[in-house]
Amino acid sequence: DIVMTQSPDSLTMSLGERATINCKSSQSVLSSSNSLNYLAWYQQKPGQPPQMLIYWATTRHSGVPDRFSGSGSGTDFTLTISSLQAEDVAVYYCQQYYVSPYTFGGGTQVEIK
Amino acid sequence: HVQLQESGPGLVKPSETLSLTCSVSGDSISRYYWTWIRQPAGKEPEWIGRMHISASAIYNPSLKSRVTMSLDTSNNQFSLKLNSVTAADTAVYYCATGITAEEDAFDFWGQGTMVIVSS
Repeated sequence: DIVMTQSPDSLTMSLGERATINCKSSQSVLSSSNSLNYLAWYQQKPGQPPQMLIYWATTRHSGVPDRFSGSGSGTDFTLTISSLQAEDVAVYYCQQYYVSPYTFGGGTQVEIK
Repeated sequence: HVQLQESGPGLVKPSETLSLTCSVSGDSISRYYWTWIRQPAGKEPEWIGRMHISASAIYNPSLKSRVTMSLDTSNNQFSLKLNSVTAADTAVYYCATGITAEEDAFDFWGQGTMVIVSS
């Protein structure tokens, strides 16, 4: 299985600050056939299912605010929230969809200081 | 857009079979791949498996010996059976599908149903 490792486990930032979450895969999720990274980011609020933010590592899903951005390639990826808002308090997960079984990172809890 | 709703017993006894149904509305179940995912309290989601009307189901090897998925096109539903359950199977169970990007990048989820395994 591909192991997805996120850091940090939790993040406490002030409103308006930049938040950065890292995700590392145990093997590359970059396809040589189409040059796409099979990596998604999700946001999960209490009592709700995960909600997709980013797919193909960098493509923002429809309706997602542009303060959310994804970067990286191969095995190292980053989710950035450029200016943290109160409604961004949540747990964030990365997920690889390159090889079955499709696996998620352990999550990063984002809170407001 | 497609909508998904899980249903099934919230309490299952150890060693028995967990059975859940996902009802799909807004589109035909024949169009997409359908996935079950579970999430124990405080932990990351775990992919259980997925299927398509025209493809064999694939399951997580960690659960493969105990899992069966099926599609009911007449009712636009798909189902999950997990046998010989233990307390470790206690989790919120979600059905999901990927439409925008890829079948295994999930942009549509049900609200989830909590299943507790306990005598």
